[in-house]
Amino acid sequence: EADIYQTPRYLVIGTGKKITLECSQTMGHDKMYWYQQDPGMELHLIHYSYGVNSTEKGDLSSESTVSRIRTEHFPLTLESARPSHTSQYLCASSESAGGGNNEQFFGPGTRLTVL
Amino acid sequence: QQQVKQSPQSLIVQKGGISIINCAYENTAFDYFPWYQQFPGKGPALLIAIRPDVSEKKEGRFTISFNKSAKQFSLHIMDSQPGDSATYFCAASQGSNYQLIWGAGTKLIIKP
Repeated sequence: EADIYQTPRYLVIGTGKKITLECSQTMGHDKMYWYQQDPGMELHLIHYSYGVNSTEKGDLSSESTVSRIRTEHFPLTLESARPSHTSQYLCASSESAGGGNNEQFFGPGTRLTVL
Repeated sequence: QQQVKQSPQSLIVQKGGISIINCAYENTAFDYFPWYQQFPGKGPALLIAIRPDVSEKKEGRFTISFNKSAKQFSLHIMDSQPGDSATYFCAASQGSNYQLIWGAGTKLIIKP
């Protein structure tokens, strides 16, 4: 079944640790996105990619980095976690250009807590 | 000019009532206007979307009304049910090559 997956779902980690949040999709979508969202609050785009080897920063300044080596995989890395990084991180994907409806499909999110 | 302004921030409606959430935009190049629904602990999911060539789109109890001249669009939920309690986000984009611009969200509570 085509879907978008995020792991871990929950992560509690100490300050200064390096973490990688995983996102994979089996829908064959070229476009992928990372959003930061405090529960029930506004969505903030932090990174996006339009295809392999393409990554861009979003509207919200973030200390995280991303990579896109494979179409289906779009991991997000924090080199040194801080309490201010505590939030929910949502991964999404959408079809490429060509008159599509630009619908974004979201994963279930990773709830990150940095102590 | 890229903003999408959503109101109200929160809304409480009695079961069976009509829930109305509004969004306004400035960029006249926007041509795709979706509404997303998000339940706690889940990612948002597309609920219904409209393009500016129609003034209204209905899917079951959910209707989008679109006013191109006023640059506004709204979501109407008829016969609101407790299961509709969620956060709703409007968004807009200019073609499929551009990002979705998101509203700030509306937390909807349907009281039984």
